[in-house]
Amino acid sequence: DSGVTQTPKHLITATGQRVTLRCSPRSGDLSVYWYQQSLDQGLQFLIQYYNGEERAKGNILERFSAQQFPDLHSELNLSSLELGDSALYFCASSVGSSRSTDTQYFGPGTRLTVL
Amino acid sequence: QQQVKQSPQSLIVQKGGISIINCAYENTAFDYFPWYQQFPGKGPALLIAIRPDVSEKKEGRFTISFNKSAKQFSLHIMDSQPGDSATYFCAVSYGQNFVFGPGTRLSVLP
Repeated sequence: DSGVTQTPKHLITATGQRVTLRCSPRSGDLSVYWYQQSLDQGLQFLIQYYNGEERAKGNILERFSAQQFPDLHSELNLSSLELGDSALYFCASSVGSSRSTDTQYFGPGTRLTVL
Repeated sequence: QQQVKQSPQSLIVQKGGISIINCAYENTAFDYFPWYQQFPGKGPALLIAIRPDVSEKKEGRFTISFNKSAKQFSLHIMDSQPGDSATYFCAVSYGQNFVFGPGTRLSVLP
């Protein structure tokens, strides 16, 4: 158990809908990262927050947004969902802000299915 | 452009054998080379990592070999066990740039 929690575990929704994925980092970790894992794209970095502020942006679509709250939990919002958004979404956390020096601890993921 | 290439895509090894997974990168600025292990239904977990100032790092049965001039690094799993069956991802990083390889699915037969 990494100490990172994600809810829900599974999510099934329809095209055009909006969903919110939630992540609680390990105690003491200030960074939260979001990743998308699909069969054809592998593990893609979406976005990083550090202590409430956006730190780095990856291949995140404009239909997606995220935020980190004062208690350091984070939410990833996915809107106008398309079939191609079906994937596993992972949250990771680390103590510091650098992915080159700080170990990232991954949560168990949320499996999103868009029908 | 794929920043890191990983091979093979899948690997089958007998119990007790050596599993070898290779990664190659282009950007010489990368300065951190971790390997992650992912079991089905779980998130990736850091297995072992190396920086370019050393050519080899060993932790138990897992060894990273790093060839800076060839821009390649590999993961060796000695005495492979069925419990090692998982997907392995290499990654390359510098600064805020962090990219995973496409993954290798390892199956260790009992």
